[in-house]
Order: sequence, then C-alpha cells, then structure tokens
Amino acid sequence: DVKVTQSSRYLVKRTGEKVFLECVQDMDHENMFWYRQDPGLGLRLIYFSYDVKMKEKGDIPEGYSVSREKKERFSLILESASTNQTSMYLCASSLPESGGISTDTQYFGPGTRLTVL
Amino acid sequence: AQKITQTQPGMFVQEKEAVTLDCTYDTSDPSYGLFWYKQPSSGEMIFLIYQGSYDQQNATEGRYSLNFQKARKSANLVISASQLGDSAMYFCAMRSGGSNYKLTFGKGTLLTVNP
Repeated sequence: DVKVTQSSRYLVKRTGEKVFLECVQDMDHENMFWYRQDPGLGLRLIYFSYDVKMKEKGDIPEGYSVSREKKERFSLILESASTNQTSMYLCASSLPESGGISTDTQYFGPGTRLTVL
Repeated sequence: AQKITQTQPGMFVQEKEAVTLDCTYDTSDPSYGLFWYKQPSSGEMIFLIYQGSYDQQNATEGRYSLNFQKARKSANLVISASQLGDSAMYFCAMRSGGSNYKLTFGKGTLLTVNP
C-alpha cells in the first residue's frame, strides 16, 4: 500500500521563524514534490526532486528551499516565515518517467496546514 | 504552456444519480496524461483515474469513468451512482512530455452529494 507521510497536520509559527516541513515516502519513488494549495488558486508546485540531492524549481520557489539527503525524505524549508506563506502544503511522490510519457501517478501525503502569525 | 480549466466551481447531485465534472486542457505536446484527484475535507489528495493521450478507450475505475474527447481537448469525469462520501473537491491535472514530471492542476470543482 502506498504511503506518503508528512511530519505535522497543523503547524503554527511566528513571522521570521525558520520552518521545516518533512515528507517521507515508503514506495522507493525517485521523484518527490512540494505543492502549496490556496483557495481559488488550486495546487502550485514549489519544488521537486528527481533524485537524491537533485532539485528543480517549480512555479513559486521564492521564499522556499528544499533538501533531499535520502531517497525517502524530502524537506521543505521556509528560511524566514512570512504571513503570506500561510497555506496548505502537500507533498507527493512518483516513479520516474521512462521512454516518454509514463503513466506514473503522484501519490500525496495528508498535507500540513501552516499558519504564520 | 500547459493549462487546465475547470469551469464549475461547485456542483450538486442527488444521491444515487450520475454527475459529470468538466475539464478542458491545453497543450501543444502530442503525448500527455490526464489525471483526476479527489480531495475530501480531511485534505488528502486521492488519485482516482488516469487517461493517456494515446489510449484508445476511455478509462474506467469502478464508479469513475473518464469521458476523453481528444479533438475537443476535454477529459470530463463521470461519477455514477453518487454516494454521500463522494462529496469533496475534485481536481483535474495534466502531465505532458516536456514538463519534467510536473503536474498542472485545475482550480477544482466542489461536489456536494445531497441525500
């Protein structure tokens, strides 16, 4: 059974704090993703990683960084949290593309609802 | 650039009836994949169904089917025999060849199933 877990369901932080959101998958997937979800805007990709220590920026990377030291773990870091980073954060993982478009599906964790005061 | 459009912010359906959720897409890639996800109020995104651009038949998974009309660039989700537990947000997403594994999501449709 596929399993993606996130370290917290709810998190409250203060402006200026450094925030770590952790994601772990047990499916041996190469690809991992961080999205944020806001009402009326849908899901937007922040960063993704296609291998250990490899990362690429998504659509909205500003204010975020990521770390992937082990295949199963992908961390999202807010260096200095701001109120406009209050959002739902979703982590996902998938197998890599092979020979063109693959049918791999992204499997999501339960999400972390972050509030920055 | 890839784009997904879901024009129905909200939909209502009576329990046991069928409902269609609309999704249109835009891409210049000949090879792409289309996904539907369900997001209950708990927040987790649940994969429902996948359709590849070269698939000859419409995808089906239990009560879910995908009405794929390639020429119209539409990939509507049909839920048959709606259940109260189907009440949720539904997102259409697309992955195309040049996207480096990225999914582009629509803004979602909130489905409410009435008893």
